Amino acid sequence: NAGVTQTPKFQVLKTGQSMTLQCAQDMNHNSMYWYRQDPGMGLRLIYYSASEGTTDKGEVPNGYNVSRLNKREFSLRLESAAPSQTSVYFCASSGRDRGRTFFGQGTRLTVV
Amino acid sequence: AQSVTQLGSHVSVSEGALVLLRCNYSSSVPPYLFWYVQYPNQGLQLLLKYTSAATLVKGINGFEAEFKKSETSFHLTKPSAHMRDAAEYFCAVSGGGGTSYGKLTFGQGTILTVHP
Repeated sequence: NAGVTQTPKFQVLKTGQSMTLQCAQDMNHNSMYWYRQDPGMGLRLIYYSASEGTTDKGEVPNGYNVSRLNKREFSLRLESAAPSQTSVYFCASSGRDRGRTFFGQGTRLTVV
Repeated sequence: AQSVTQLGSHVSVSEGALVLLRCNYSSSVPPYLFWYVQYPNQGLQLLLKYTSAATLVKGINGFEAEFKKSETSFHLTKPSAHMRDAAEYFCAVSGGGGTSYGKLTFGQGTILTVHP
């Protein structure tokens, strides 16, 4: 089982460039999430989608947009990348198994 | 509102020694609590979870945690450390209800080092 798949795994951007991080899950989960991980700060929720067709802001949404393309896919877009967005980004999903959230392998993004 | 505090950003133990990683939380609703482990350059793997059933929770790899409501704590323990336990550990809390299972608030993380 693939679980949660993120692409790309690594990316280097110049300040001001845009890009989209892709995420797909094959577990038929309703809810999907985007987190960022920074040293000493744990993971922080950027956006989430409780179900297909809905998205909501998390703790640190500024500078990001999301799209819940269908039940499987949830993308994160940086319209104008800034050095402060250098981070490791994790996509996650959860379903009916209470408390069980599955994480992707992460995307390491560097903005120079 | 929820928050998690992990006491100690780095913990070092000898192989075979007790592992104790501390986690305190605050939550305005009955919490769901989790411990995740992250090995270098990998995603997060669930070690164990508390979802309002038994207060002593057993997880994978010999880890366990006890939910203590009076102390708002959810400390992670393992009786005997192994070299393969070296990783970063995260405590997390969610509100638990409805579709909020994956809306997690994480602690800062604790890096566990195991010495031979």
